[in-house]
Amino acid sequence: NAGVTQTPKFQVLKTGQSMTLQCAQDMNHNSMYWYRQDPGMGLRLIYYSASEGTTDKGEVPNGYNVSRLNKREFSLRLESAAPSQTSVYFCASQAYSGNTIYFGEGSWLTVV
Amino acid sequence: AQSVTQPDIHITVSEGASLELRCNYSYGATPYLFWYVQSPGQGLQLLLKYFSGDTLVQGIKGFEAEFKRSQSSFNLRKPSVHWSDAAEYFCAVDSNNDMRFGAGTRLTVKP
Repeated sequence: NAGVTQTPKFQVLKTGQSMTLQCAQDMNHNSMYWYRQDPGMGLRLIYYSASEGTTDKGEVPNGYNVSRLNKREFSLRLESAAPSQTSVYFCASQAYSGNTIYFGEGSWLTVV
Repeated sequence: AQSVTQPDIHITVSEGASLELRCNYSYGATPYLFWYVQSPGQGLQLLLKYFSGDTLVQGIKGFEAEFKRSQSSFNLRKPSVHWSDAAEYFCAVDSNNDMRFGAGTRLTVKP
């Protein structure tokens, strides 16, 4: 039972570098999400995808892009990393609005 | 856009005491409402959720929450806290797949 799998778990980037966080779910869920978690700020929604082929901005989309590659996969790209993007990133999926949301284990990203 | 407010950043209770964690949301209609718990270094686990119907919902680990439409609140309660309940608790609001979380309340349990 893999659930939601995200990679990499840990990454250190230099300012200005780019990288992509990968996420895949094997539960046939329609909706997928990317959040960032920072101390004292809870989880903030970066982007979400209500269904395959659609993506929408969340609370903090600036500096990020996403791709819903297919129903299983939802990637998050940092085109030019900044120290302010140092955070823990969580991918999540959900069958339909209102259902339980399932989280990946998190990706720790440090931008120096 | 909807928002979720958890007014208490940190709460300390004694083991065996009762607990109430507050959550207020801002949204035009009644969204789906959730409480999640996160232990250090772990992902989030669902405690309970509210869709419609009975405004008092029961969850896992002895938690319950009450939806009050007039107050736009969804407070989490537990009658007797155990040391293992020490964690961070998040209230969440889901409106058409736009799922927002509060900033969290960190619970410390004193022996």
